Amino acid sequence: NAGVTQTPKFRVLKTGQSMTLLCAQDMNHEYMYWYRQDPGMGLRLIHYSVGEGTTAKGEVPDGYNVSRLKKQNFLLGLESAAPSQTSVYFCASSFGPDTQYFGPGTRLTVL
Amino acid sequence: EDQVTQSPEALRLQEGESSSLNCSYTVSGLRGLFWYRQDPGKGPEFLFTLYSAGEEKEKERLKATLTKKESFLHITAPKPEDSATYLCAVPLGTYKYIFGTGTRLKVLA
Repeated sequence: NAGVTQTPKFRVLKTGQSMTLLCAQDMNHEYMYWYRQDPGMGLRLIHYSVGEGTTAKGEVPDGYNVSRLKKQNFLLGLESAAPSQTSVYFCASSFGPDTQYFGPGTRLTVL
Repeated sequence: EDQVTQSPEALRLQEGESSSLNCSYTVSGLRGLFWYRQDPGKGPEFLFTLYSAGEEKEKERLKATLTKKESFLHITAPKPEDSATYLCAVPLGTYKYIFGTGTRLKVLA
């Protein structure tokens, strides 16, 4: 039982490049979330999903897109990376609007 | 404005020196308050959920309490392995959570 896993763990991009972050959970959770964590700021919600095939915007969605084609996977895409997107990205999942279980994070640097 | 504030920002304790971390919130209609522990380079790990004022929960050396305006995480006789950042979070509506910026705890042997 791996819980929530994230791929990759680290990535360095140049401004304008694109990439996709993958989140997978094996707990059969309906809800999945993408957060970013920056120094001096709390975790901020980027996008979330309440079930397979559904997505919704969170607090800071600009510059990101997501997809939830399978219940166990939640993808976060950066179409044209900017230095302001340098951050640590966390995926989380939950059965419902309750306790969230987090992945180990992806550290992204945009040069 | 909905807000979650944690204090202190950082705390250094000697091993065995008990203390408390604070999480104050200004959210109408509280639907729970969550405490997480985050180790460097890792994701937050769930500790407790509190739902109503007066509720308390314990786990090893940690005890979380809740009032109508704040929550405390009491650490009794801490050990170096308790060193971590402790986060609190409050749900806003069904899907959005406000996280505090955390308290960085360092316990010295």
